[in-house]
Amino acid sequence: QVQLQESGPGLVKPSETLSVTCAVSGGSFRSNYWSWIRQPPGKGLEWIGYIYYRGSTSSNPSLKSRITISVDTSKNQFSLQLSSVTAADTAVYYCARHHDSISFFFDYWGQGTLVTVSS
Amino acid sequence: DIVMTQSPDSLAVSLGERATINCKSSQSVLYSSNNKNYLAWYQQKPRQPPKLLIYWASTRESGVPDRFSGSGSGTDFTLTISSLQAEDVAVYYCQQYYGTPYTFGQGTKLEIK
Repeated sequence: QVQLQESGPGLVKPSETLSVTCAVSGGSFRSNYWSWIRQPPGKGLEWIGYIYYRGSTSSNPSLKSRITISVDTSKNQFSLQLSSVTAADTAVYYCARHHDSISFFFDYWGQGTLVTVSS
Repeated sequence: DIVMTQSPDSLAVSLGERATINCKSSQSVLYSSNNKNYLAWYQQKPRQPPKLLIYWASTRESGVPDRFSGSGSGTDFTLTISSLQAEDVAVYYCQQYYGTPYTFGQGTKLEIK
């Protein structure tokens, strides 16, 4: 059974960089693409970007200039960094697995980690 | 970007009755080379992550009850719950994976009447 677990700081100050990590267990880390999705409190879902184990990425243009997605295959982990955060970046950040290399729906999700941007 | 628009925003249905949620994409998500619609449906209950229900517009994920069904093609899609159960109270989202950025509908909140 594939499991994803996010970890993050909980609270980030405005203008700083948000960093969250997703640890993956079960399944084959190298067979799939892995994404970040966020959900502001009481609102809908926004795709942030994905990474493949070889390091190739794709990001939402709305956030692209502020996003870095990286992978650590030795730990079966991938990470998101979002720079210059504002209160609008307050959200639950989910990591999720794409089903396969042609089916980019999300079949496994982490429980999410709430990141609040506040001074 | 492909804009996904769901209707209605909220819906109240009696137990045992049919619930229907619509999703419209701003451009076709039907890929002509394989005749597949790149459209998925998710269910999200409070304080939980979304759960995959349907993919390829009409293929039910393993373990999803058969009262859930998806239909439609091109730009217009429907999620139907044939006989509403209490545990189906949730917010439902459609998502297109035809191209990046992957986008979701705004969500439809389903409640018991």
